[in-house]
Amino acid sequence: EVQLVESGGGLVQPGRSLRLSCAASGFTFDDYAMHWVRQAPGKGLEWVSGISWNSGSIGYADSVKGRFTISRDNAKNSLYLQMNSLRAEDTALYYCAKGDGSYPSPFDYWGQGTLVTVSS
Amino acid sequence: VIWMTQSPSLLSASTGDRVIISCRMSQGISSYLAWYQQKPGKAPELLIYAASTLQSGVPSRFSGSGSGTDFTLTISCLQSEDFATYYCQQYYSFPPTFGQGTKLEIK
Repeated sequence: EVQLVESGGGLVQPGRSLRLSCAASGFTFDDYAMHWVRQAPGKGLEWVSGISWNSGSIGYADSVKGRFTISRDNAKNSLYLQMNSLRAEDTALYYCAKGDGSYPSPFDYWGQGTLVTVSS
Repeated sequence: VIWMTQSPSLLSASTGDRVIISCRMSQGISSYLAWYQQKPGKAPELLIYAASTLQSGVPSRFSGSGSGTDFTLTISCLQSEDFATYYCQQYYSFPPTFGQGTKLEIK
């Protein structure tokens, strides 16, 4: 059974940093691209960043480019999102999502999300 | 960036109804389109990919069609568990983008 478990969210002041993690299990992690998708309270879905299986291709939404860094550790079956210079508009539930083999791709499995709140 | 217009944003229907949700692209995306269902407090779930291919385990009352710029999600014979919010997503090019969502509510 595929499982994606996010962690690392919390309340943080504007301008500070936070690192999200996603622990994956139930599939061969290093065969698939992985992504972060966020959802602000009461709003729709926004793709944040994606990384190919070997970290050779990485993409970011314009809204986070230069502030967020995605990475993965295939030996640990883990995905990460380093978020710097956080803004109020980054407040959202952050989902870790698995790609289906292509890149870009649909997201065939999602975690339950970790909530990031940026507020003073 | 490929922009997506999803309509309607709110849809009221009754159990047993047939409903159609539309998604229009700002440029052609072949069949690189997915549909998701999201229930309150839950993560989205993939329903359809490649515009018309049902994800494993998804009931056959869900169907998708279209290619190029115009796509539809059809739910025939609505069940109580289908009342949720639905999103389309293009994965033809980066960045992947989502439609604004359609909230399907009980009439």
